[in-house]
Amino acid sequence: NAGVTQTPKFRVLKTGQSMTLLCAQDMNHEYMYWYRQDPGMGLRLIHYSVGEGTTAKGEVPDGYNVSRLKKQNFLLGLESAAPSQTSVYFCASRPLGREETQYFGPGTRLLVL
Amino acid sequence: AQTVTQSQPEMSVQEAETVTLSCTYDTSESDYYLFWYKQPPSRQMILVIRQEAYKQQNATENRFSVNFQKAAKSFSLKISDSQLGDAAMYFCAYRSALRIKAAGNKLTFGGGTRVLVKP
Repeated sequence: NAGVTQTPKFRVLKTGQSMTLLCAQDMNHEYMYWYRQDPGMGLRLIHYSVGEGTTAKGEVPDGYNVSRLKKQNFLLGLESAAPSQTSVYFCASRPLGREETQYFGPGTRLLVL
Repeated sequence: AQTVTQSQPEMSVQEAETVTLSCTYDTSESDYYLFWYKQPPSRQMILVIRQEAYKQQNATENRFSVNFQKAAKSFSLKISDSQLGDAAMYFCAYRSALRIKAAGNKLTFGGGTRVLVKP
């Protein structure tokens, strides 16, 4: 199993450009999450999904959109990138079950100039 | 909404010594989980230890142990016999145990504590 993978690992964008971050998991997990990590603020939840075809807003959803057309993939889109979206983005997934924990991807570093 | 606070931005420890990281949280729920994650320079988030709120016994994992004080809403991590490989960012996190699928079983993270290990 590859676990949770993220594409790309690093990207530089200009203000106003758009891009999509891809998260893929091969563990048949129901839940998937997108977080952003900024210095001194830990990880903050952007959007999440509790199953294929469903998405919901997290703590900081503005400026981002997501889609989960296939159970194994969770896409994070930036329609018009802003410098405030410079961050490290983490995807995570989790199976059903009270006891289960989240499995994290390696992160994507995004720089918006 | 739940909040998690880590009041120590950085802690330094001598190799082989012990260091304790603080974490406090705020919640009105009685059934929840608390976690400590380690993030080394590789950025990979690694689960260190987990505590279930309804268990009074403090969790331990080898050199890592917690002091869980439910009434005080405190969840500290003790790293014993510190090693150079323990140098990393450490994040405390909270998750509700409510069985509401739509709520997503989300994690709420603290701001992190950087641990430096001196040889």
